[in-house]
Amino acid sequence: SQQGEEDPQALSIQEGENATMNCSYKTSINNLQWYRQNSGRGLVHLILIRSNEREKHSGRLRVTLDTSKKSSSLLITASRAADTASYFCATTTDSWGKLQFGAGTQVVVTP
Amino acid sequence: GAVVSQHPSWVICKSGTSVKIECRSLDFQATTMFWYRQFPKQSLMLMATSNEGSKATYEQGVEKDKFLINHASLTLSTLTVTSAHPEDSSFYICSARDDERGLAGGETQYFGPGTRLLVL
Repeated sequence: SQQGEEDPQALSIQEGENATMNCSYKTSINNLQWYRQNSGRGLVHLILIRSNEREKHSGRLRVTLDTSKKSSSLLITASRAADTASYFCATTTDSWGKLQFGAGTQVVVTP
Repeated sequence: GAVVSQHPSWVICKSGTSVKIECRSLDFQATTMFWYRQFPKQSLMLMATSNEGSKATYEQGVEKDKFLINHASLTLSTLTVTSAHPEDSSFYICSARDDERGLAGGETQYFGPGTRLLVL
């Protein structure tokens, strides 16, 4: 079963704008990860944030985690057309590292 | 970087036949691999955890006799969809956890490119 819900389901922005998407989950987690998936392709790992961390940066990506609200956000700054993809959050709750994925946010960046 | 391959990338088969999908970690060892299924415009659903040298662990609602998993080496896991039916048509994705990375035995999973299965 899916652990997380994401909003918005879809996001359409222009190049140069920022894109923000949110993820909520239901149970306590070990870590939360964000992935990108281009249409019909495999997943690309973007960033991992552990349960004891509150914010993390990687290039144009900024991830926050609020364990009290059981939510996370992914911000993509200065978006590019190449950022067009679906973005999924995924949580890990056990030592095996099994991932439970959110529903995903489809982002379209127009030139 | 760590690479995971899947073969075939796409397959079309007749209803009732069995289809085998391979997942390989190309430059690292993976004691643990995972199999996911993704229907169009939906998220990934974990089907099972594949462990080298032992039986796979299936998620609730996934028929283990329908989806046979074999993890015979540290770099290869196979998923066989037995007696496939049209409702099994989906995008199957595997991931592998690098045994040597991460603080907890590999927190980052590397995903294969996926296998698209169409059952006629």
